[in-house]
Amino acid sequence: AQSVTQLDSQVPVFEEAPVELRCNYSSSVSVYLFWYVQYPNQGLQLLLKYLSGSTLVKGINGFEAEFNKSQTSFHLRKPSVHISDTAEYFCAVIVTGGGNKLTFGTGTQLKVEL
Amino acid sequence: DAGITQSPRHKVTETGTPVTLRCHQTENHRYMYWYRQDPGHGLRLIHYSYGVKDTDKGEVSDGYSVSRSKTEDFLLTLESATSSQTSVYFCAISGGRGPYNEQFFGPGTRLTVL
Repeated sequence: AQSVTQLDSQVPVFEEAPVELRCNYSSSVSVYLFWYVQYPNQGLQLLLKYLSGSTLVKGINGFEAEFNKSQTSFHLRKPSVHISDTAEYFCAVIVTGGGNKLTFGTGTQLKVEL
Repeated sequence: DAGITQSPRHKVTETGTPVTLRCHQTENHRYMYWYRQDPGHGLRLIHYSYGVKDTDKGEVSDGYSVSRSKTEDFLLTLESATSSQTSVYFCAISGGRGPYNEQFFGPGTRLTVL
């Protein structure tokens, strides 16, 4: 069975600093990868997705992620964060042949401080 | 925003009582999902549906049942609620032409079982 690991449960960062949220997955078959963001007391919103093609994908709010097949990683990055980026971020994977079912990581709480 | 509503948004109930949560979509998407979100676990799939009257179990289906009699509605039932089912429940939908598509999430239902 596939799994998704987000090693950092919390990431504190100062405003305007760069940030990287790490995501690793385990699967021996092709995967489709997603990052979602959840603001307090809200549902999840899609940030970006990798389905095929370029391994560097750009999403909303200035975020981007790079798919690295050899390292089975899909880290999320932003060059300069804003207070409004404070939220919880979830990495998720769909495994080919497994139906359209998402497996989520446990989430990373990004806290942006002044 | 995708047209997904969940009702109720908040519910407090007692152990042993039946509870039904409703997910309603206006997007005519084929797939619908129920997740629960708990601290330290991310989101975990309870049940999903790939068409009217077509449902299947997710990873945490014990104690839950679902029904889908119309494309737009997906019901989650706790036959006899337990305190371990206190959680935030999210409905999601997905569709599109490809076999794998991003999921869009509803606002969530916070359920407390006393």
